[in-house]
Amino acid sequence: EAGVVQSPRYKIIEKKQPVAFWCNPISGHNTLYWYRQNLGQGPELLIRYENEEAVDDSQLPKDRFSAERLKGVDSTLKIQPAELGDSAVYLCASSLSGDSSYNEQFFGPGTRLTVL
Amino acid sequence: AQSVTQLDSQVPVFEEAPVELRCNYSSSVSVYLFWYVQYPNQGLQLLLKYLSGSTLVESINGFEAEFNKSQTSFHLRKPSVHISDTAEYFCAVYTGGFKTIFGAGTRLFVKA
Repeated sequence: EAGVVQSPRYKIIEKKQPVAFWCNPISGHNTLYWYRQNLGQGPELLIRYENEEAVDDSQLPKDRFSAERLKGVDSTLKIQPAELGDSAVYLCASSLSGDSSYNEQFFGPGTRLTVL
Repeated sequence: AQSVTQLDSQVPVFEEAPVELRCNYSSSVSVYLFWYVQYPNQGLQLLLKYLSGSTLVESINGFEAEFNKSQTSFHLRKPSVHISDTAEYFCAVYTGGFKTIFGAGTRLFVKA
């Protein structure tokens, strides 16, 4: 079974440029998460989707970040324009949807963004 | 608010020596606890988890962790490490609401 797929794996851009990351979750996983992992830190949640609905985007900087999951499967996270402080690893994870019980998250390999 | 503290940012250790990676958490509600491992240029992989039942949980590659409610700790241990255990280890807490809080990570460096 394929795991969570992310692309690109690495991206280097100049500041003020736009950038987009793509994620394809594990088949059958209705819940999708985007995390940002700064150097030397643990992952921090940016947004969570249940199918195509963004149910928790409280930590997403909405002035420059946007995300979509139009058909409830794969997802795109965009930054426009990028700033130097956006350099980080962007991780996508997926899990089975659930009520209040815990469902294990499976992580992709991440996209390492460097903003120059 | 919930938080996770990993007390050591880096732990160097010789091969075949024992190791303990420390994790403390704060929460006013019941928690689920996890250790994830991240190898270079890879995503996080679940190493082991405590959801309920026995407070001592084990992974398939020799790691174990013990949930200590009174000390609010979930330290990770291995009696004999290998070079291949070199990685970053993250402790995490889930308290419901689909939110998992991660610690800052501990980099384990195993030397020959």
